[in-house]
Amino acid sequence: GAVVSQHPSWVICKSGTSVKIECRSLDFQATTMFWYRQFPKQSLMLMATSNEGSKATYEQGVEKDKFLINHASLTLSTLTVTSAHPEDSSFYICSAETSGVETQYFGPGTRLLVL
Amino acid sequence: AQRVTQPEKLLSVFKGAPVELKCNYSYSGSPELFWYVQYSRQRLQLLLRHISRESIKGFTADLNKGETSFHLKKPFAQEEDSAMYYCALNSKLTFGKGITLSVRP
Repeated sequence: GAVVSQHPSWVICKSGTSVKIECRSLDFQATTMFWYRQFPKQSLMLMATSNEGSKATYEQGVEKDKFLINHASLTLSTLTVTSAHPEDSSFYICSAETSGVETQYFGPGTRLLVL
Repeated sequence: AQRVTQPEKLLSVFKGAPVELKCNYSYSGSPELFWYVQYSRQRLQLLLRHISRESIKGFTADLNKGETSFHLKKPFAQEEDSAMYYCALNSKLTFGKGITLSVRP
């Protein structure tokens, strides 16, 4: 149980385009989802926290207009990287937790390469 | 501000040797500490959390508030323990940089 999927697993796009990454909880209702970013050989950095039906809370230094997060249902959150640039190339990981259980279940990650 | 420090990037041991992965934290409140593990080509998964005080796969970790540490220990390492280990702080996880544990046969 407690499986989180991400789609796509990897994506290559041209600079200036937008990319949407999906995060789904497959067998539980995710009241809260988290989006992380991981640069090569570095740790995971929390970008934002989203609760179903409300606006995401962004960490300091993360541009909310650049990284659009939508958590429209209890099983799906999306991260859209708008007008992507090469410096946005990274590994994006989502996690999900359900109310009353303070354990985050992680997705497999999405590798983004912006050319 | 909260911070997690994992001072070493790599620990290489022989099978059967004891393992200690260091983690220190900085947080003014009452901390919640976690260890996450990422095996090769797999996703990050919770290994253990300090409030449950359980032993998972032979690993234990004790929260030492005086030393602000939460070191992960295992008395006898196995080859299948080879992985990346991350220490994390609080429910909105602040991660350390991680350490690669390599257990040689």
